[in-house]
Amino acid sequence: RKEVEQDPGPFNVPEGATVAFNCTYSNSASQSFFWYRQDCRKEPKLLMSVYSSGNEDGRFTAQLNRASQYISLLIRDSKLSDSATYLCVVNPPNFGNEKLTFGTGTRLTIIP
Amino acid sequence: DVKVTQSSRYLVKRTGEKVFLECVQDMDHENMFWYRQDPGLGLRLIYFSYDVKMKEKGDIPEGYSVSREKKERFSLILESASTNQTSMYLCAAIQGANYGYTFGSGTRLTVV
Repeated sequence: RKEVEQDPGPFNVPEGATVAFNCTYSNSASQSFFWYRQDCRKEPKLLMSVYSSGNEDGRFTAQLNRASQYISLLIRDSKLSDSATYLCVVNPPNFGNEKLTFGTGTRLTIIP
Repeated sequence: DVKVTQSSRYLVKRTGEKVFLECVQDMDHENMFWYRQDPGLGLRLIYFSYDVKMKEKGDIPEGYSVSREKKERFSLILESASTNQTSMYLCAAIQGANYGYTFGSGTRLTVV
């Protein structure tokens, strides 16, 4: 089983719709979780951290389910500018304090 | 915010050449990383460093070496470039496990 797994997509979603993706992780002792956004031919950029109680940043909501070992990202009222690849990132403690493990990404395209 | 700078956005090198990729971070962070990113394979860790003159192998170190003579600079070296090293190379620094990585803008290397 991969340490971090994501559905690669692509997700093609009409503008204004709500879209959600999940990411599963294998190490139950993982401590830190993040969502990154990567635009085509650019570097990944931190979108948001994921906290145990769930957290929201504008149209974006991240949630953590430790029992089922997954994190999720919900995007409401999607915009054309949300088109990107979204990477799930986990900090599994057995790899050292700050070595993060990346999913391969979920590609999202917002359609006008 | 941490700023991570990679010296070149695009490089074209010939097979057998020795290639240096430079990365500089402007904060006093100990931890720096080199990844390569290829379609369908995601981000793969090549080498990382937790301190000056310290280096650890990542998941795919073969064909690469690194140098960390100063805290702010972490260099990736391709001893004898090969065509299968054509890829996007990303340098990252981390402020702390709860903050995630900051990436440089990447170097797209083509080996011909």
